[in-house]
This record gives sequence, structure tokens and C-alpha cells, in this order.
Amino acid sequence: GENVEQHPSTLSVQEGDSAVIKCTYSDSASNYFPWYKQELGKRPQLIIDIRSNVGEKKDQRIAVTLNKTAKHFSLHITETQPEDSAVYFCAASDFTGTASKLTFGTGTRLQVTL
Amino acid sequence: DTEVTQTPKHLVMGMTNKKSLKCEQHMGHRAMYWYKQKAKKPPELMFVYSYEKLSINESVPSRFSPECPNSSLLNLHLHALQPEDSALYLCASSQRQPGHPNEKLFFGSGTQLSVL
Repeated sequence: GENVEQHPSTLSVQEGDSAVIKCTYSDSASNYFPWYKQELGKRPQLIIDIRSNVGEKKDQRIAVTLNKTAKHFSLHITETQPEDSAVYFCAASDFTGTASKLTFGTGTRLQVTL
Repeated sequence: DTEVTQTPKHLVMGMTNKKSLKCEQHMGHRAMYWYKQKAKKPPELMFVYSYEKLSINESVPSRFSPECPNSSLLNLHLHALQPEDSALYLCASSQRQPGHPNEKLFFGSGTQLSVL
């Protein structure tokens, strides 16, 4: 099955700095890579996603890059703000023919300090 | 309605109890999921229903029994649970995007379950 590794496990940045979270996946059949943000006690929320036929996608301060050959994908957050503090999960999806099967990374706790 | 609603938000049960978790969505999504999330860990897939049929069972113990009565509802029946089953149980739904097989998952707020 799919295995997703995520680094770092914790990340502390100052407000206004950039944050980068990196993931690797094992199954070359995976073709969809979403990122979820989970604040304490709340639901995971999809913040950005990328499909395997695209190398980069940007949405305001958030961008995701994908290197299919190396099986790497990364989340980039620029101009970080205190409200960006949360746990971020990357995931890789293998479509089974009837439904998507998401495998999550272990999570990165991002702390944005003033 | 763009939400996945789960009830109850919190549940405390004994090991001999029988309880049910409920999930509802009115977005017309035809795939629904149960995930289990332990503290400081990522969500782990338990079950997937596609078009009201069980599509994936990730070797979940039989003390967890899913049910999908219709396209909007998903239940998880609990019986004879163990303390190690205490966790946040998340429901999610998704809909295939035209031209793309992959589906964006939308999560509910979860049921925080404590087994005593």
C-alpha cells in the first residue's frame, strides 16, 4: 500500500516568514495530492490540492509543487500569519475505481510566532 | 448546504454498551468515508461507501459496523469497544470531478469517543 512520509514534524517561523513542508510517497500509482489544515479540536480542511499532471499550483499565499519522478511534493506558505498556526497533513490518493483512498502523512505542527 | 454534519460531538461509553455515530451530508456526494484519528496522529481510513455500497474495509474489527441507509446518511455502529478505540471519528464525503477520477474529501467535525 501507499506510504507517505512528511517532514518536519514541527516547524516554528516568525510572522511574515515563509514555511515549507515536504512529503514523499511510495506508490507511483498515486495521482492526487491534497493538503489539509487541522486546527486544534477541529476538522481537517482542504487548503490546496494538486493532480499528477500538474507540477505547481498556487492559491494566494499557498503553493504546492510536485515532482513525480522523485515522488516528492511540498507545501509553501509565504507571508505567514498567526492564524496559519495549525497541524498540516499531506496526503496521497490512489483511486480504486469506485472511490478515492487517501493516505495521510504524519503531520507538521506549524507555529507562527509574533 | 456545504457541510458534513456528525452527531454526537462527544460520546462516552462503557465497554458493554452499544452506540451509533451518525453522519449526514446534502451535497449530493456519492462516496462517504469513516476515518479514525488518535491524538497527534493523522486520520486513518476505516471504511468507504460508494453509491451506498461498501467499497473499502480496511480490516476494521467487527465491533465497528458501518451502515449507509441512503446517499445522504452514514452510520457507524459500535459494540463491545475497547479503551484503545477512544479517538476522534471523522466522517467525510466526496464527489468525483468531471474528467478527473480523484475526489476532494470534505470532513465533518467528528465525534470524540471515549471508551471507559
